Amino acid sequence: DVKVTQSSRYLVKRTGEKVFLECVQDMDHENMFWYRQDPGLGLRLIYFSYDVKMKEKGDIPEGYSVSREKKERFSLILESASTNQTSMYLCASSLFGGPTNYGYTFGSGTRLTVV
Amino acid sequence: SQQGEEDPQALSIQEGENATMNCSYKTSINNLQWYRQNSGRGLVHLILIRSNEREKHSGRLRVTLDTSKKSSSLLITASRAADTASYFCATDAHQAGTALIFGKGTTLSVSS
Repeated sequence: DVKVTQSSRYLVKRTGEKVFLECVQDMDHENMFWYRQDPGLGLRLIYFSYDVKMKEKGDIPEGYSVSREKKERFSLILESASTNQTSMYLCASSLFGGPTNYGYTFGSGTRLTVV
Repeated sequence: SQQGEEDPQALSIQEGENATMNCSYKTSINNLQWYRQNSGRGLVHLILIRSNEREKHSGRLRVTLDTSKKSSSLLITASRAADTASYFCATDAHQAGTALIFGKGTTLSVSS
């Protein structure tokens, strides 16, 4: 069964900490994505990547950075965590051929609380 | 940048009834996708319909696309309690080569 694995289901971090959210996929997909999901706001795109070492900003990249050193791994970094970054973070991947031409496979999500 | 908007926001039905959810979007698209999310979990891809298609079926799911009205509908026939979830439509953003933009979803509750 193909999978997108997010390293933590629940995470609690302190304000100002540097936070790493890890995502690994085993489907040899070229495209990977990070979204955050908040009540009333739906899913919002943070960053995505269509190749190793490539990254593109989404709608809300401020306060975040990403790293894609290997094809299967896409990391989201909160440089200095703040309480307004408390959210559900969702990682997804898809085949190459355009970021929207194939369905996305999502991980189970990481619920991050910043205190 | 909100591209798709689902309607209604919430829907409650009895088992065995059909559920219809609608999605409207603003700009031209290459394709439109529907996803399901069970409470607190990741999203699951249900179906993709391309801009040159008008209708698509998958099991108990039927999706229609009307590009002239910039709208799509998802019909779930003979609903079951297990269909209780949030349903999202997703479309291309207006810029070429960008990722899917998701609507805020319809929360479906199916009671037995």
